[in-house]
Amino acid sequence: EILLTQSPATLSLSPGERATLSCRASQTIGTNLAWYQQKPGQAPRLLIYNASNRATGIPTTFSGSGSGTDFTLSISSLEPEDFAVYYCQQRARWPITFGQGTRLEIK
Amino acid sequence: EVQLLESGGGLVQPGGSLRLSCAASGFSFSSNAMGWVRQAPGKGLQWVSAISDSGGSTYFADSVKGRFTISRDISKNTLYLQMDSLRAEDTAVYYCVKRTDSIWYFDYWGQGTLVTVSS
Repeated sequence: EILLTQSPATLSLSPGERATLSCRASQTIGTNLAWYQQKPGQAPRLLIYNASNRATGIPTTFSGSGSGTDFTLSISSLEPEDFAVYYCQQRARWPITFGQGTRLEIK
Repeated sequence: EVQLLESGGGLVQPGGSLRLSCAASGFSFSSNAMGWVRQAPGKGLQWVSAISDSGGSTYFADSVKGRFTISRDISKNTLYLQMDSLRAEDTAVYYCVKRTDSIWYFDYWGQGTLVTVSS
């Protein structure tokens, strides 16, 4: 099973700042990685797939990068609605696995 | 508009069974692979099971293999998750998910149904 480790566990930033979230895979997965956003009481929402492709309707402030074992989700300028929990997910090998999440909170 | 509506959650005793349903609409259900993802209270996401568009291929997390069954009824546009031999650690919100076009990411999620396993 491929383990995904997200860091940091919690990130405290202010609106307007840039956020950088990390996801590291326990073995190489190419670009077979997605990012999701989850707000309290809501289902997750797909943001990025194949490491760097924005899903439909996702603003350009969100970007993804990386390949192999190290991946990054960046939010260029934080809006109040961006404060949420973010998960990465790999689909390179069964079983599909998720990272444990990064909580992005308002400083 | 794509909609996934789960039902069937509730309180069940350890060792019991429950069947979850997911009514799908707004897309071609027969042409899309589907799955289930769960989230224990206050915890992260865990993939549970998946099924191909034809239903001919199914996949399970090791933690539920042999206890859970996934199926689909094309005539009813409905996805199912039969859960047997339930354990306390199966307590979670279960989300029905739709796979993206041809790759195993999940572009649509239902609102979830809560399963509580407790005596």
